[in-house]
Amino acid sequence: RKEVEQDPGPFNVPEGATVAFNCTYSNSASQSFFWYRQDCRKEPKLLMSVYSSGNEDGRFTAQLNRASQYISLLIRDSKLSDSATYLCVVSGGSNYKLTFGKGTLLTVNP
Amino acid sequence: NAGVTQTPKFQVLKTGQSMTLQCAQDMNHEYMSWYRQDPGMGLRLIHYSVGAGITDQGEVPNGYNVSRSTTEDFPLRLLSAAPSQTSVYFCASSEGREAFFGQGTRLTVV
Repeated sequence: RKEVEQDPGPFNVPEGATVAFNCTYSNSASQSFFWYRQDCRKEPKLLMSVYSSGNEDGRFTAQLNRASQYISLLIRDSKLSDSATYLCVVSGGSNYKLTFGKGTLLTVNP
Repeated sequence: NAGVTQTPKFQVLKTGQSMTLQCAQDMNHEYMSWYRQDPGMGLRLIHYSVGAGITDQGEVPNGYNVSRSTTEDFPLRLLSAAPSQTSVYFCASSEGREAFFGQGTRLTVV
């Protein structure tokens, strides 16, 4: 089983749609969880950290279920500028080693 | 604030040649790492360092060497380039929850 698995995608949605990304991780000792965004031919950038209590940043909501080892990202009211690859990322903690999912490509269409 | 600077941005090598990918950060981060990104594979950790003088192997270390003589610099050396090392390479540094990536080096080995 891969350490971090994501929906393979790609997702094509119209502007204004709500889209959800799902991710599971295999290492129950994982400590930190993130969603990164990667634009085409660019470097990954942190979108948001994910906490057990759930967290929201504008149109973006992230959830973590430690018991199920499951992470999600919800994007509401999609914009054209949300088109990118979304990477689920997990860290063991003390030395910040990041393990990446393969990413899910989102295209938001006008 | 430059963040993480990688050079070169593009490189073409012949099989068997060696080269060094440079990475420098100006954020005084202790943790630095190198990833390669291949289509369908996501980002995979090559080598990482938790501080000057300390390096360790990641998931795919074969064919690469690293050293960390200063906090700022973390070069990646390809010892004898092979076509299988054709990839996009990202350097990252972190201190805490967020990793900052360089713009990447697109390497082609022919």
